[in-house]
Amino acid sequence: GENVEQHPSTLSVQEGDSAVIKCTYSDSASNYFPWYKQELGKRPQLIIDIRSNVGEKKDQRIAVTLNKTAKHFSLHITETQPEDSAVYFCAASIDRWGYQKVTFGTGTKLQVIP
Amino acid sequence: DVKVTQSSRYLVKRTGEKVFLECVQDMDHENMFWYRQDPGLGLRLIYFSYDVKMKEKGDIPEGYSVSREKKERFSLILESASTNQTSMYLCASSGGLAGVSSTDTQYFGPGTRLTVL
Repeated sequence: GENVEQHPSTLSVQEGDSAVIKCTYSDSASNYFPWYKQELGKRPQLIIDIRSNVGEKKDQRIAVTLNKTAKHFSLHITETQPEDSAVYFCAASIDRWGYQKVTFGTGTKLQVIP
Repeated sequence: DVKVTQSSRYLVKRTGEKVFLECVQDMDHENMFWYRQDPGLGLRLIYFSYDVKMKEKGDIPEGYSVSREKKERFSLILESASTNQTSMYLCASSGGLAGVSSTDTQYFGPGTRLTVL
């Protein structure tokens, strides 16, 4: 089955600096790559996603890049703020026979230091 | 606004008990999922369902079963709870049409923290 590796497991940055989280996946059939943010005690929520026919997507301070050949994708957060502190999960999704199977990475705990 | 609810926020059970965790979504989503979340292990897929009465094993199905009798409801069953099933359980749902390839955002419930003594 699909295997998603995520690095680093923890990341501390100064407020205003950039943060980068990297993920790799194993199944070349994966075609949808969402990123979820989970604040302490809350449910995961989608922050950005990218589909396999796109190399890069940006939404204000966050961006995601995808390299299908190398099977890796990354989340970039610029001008980090304390409210960006959370656990971030990458995921790879495979469509098969009309349904969706999503495999998550192990998460990155981001701490933004004021 | 998508709403995914879970029957309990906290649950304490004893070893050997049969445990039911229920999830309900109100967006007519085709796909529903059960994950368990453990520190350092991320979200691991237990079972998922892409249509009523249809179910597929995820990555860690051992010790669990599921039921989806109605489209909006997806139940996770621990036939005989064990201490290693102490965890946070998250339900999620997503849209899409059965028989048509689709990808979509997953919406999560608030989670059930299960403790098995």
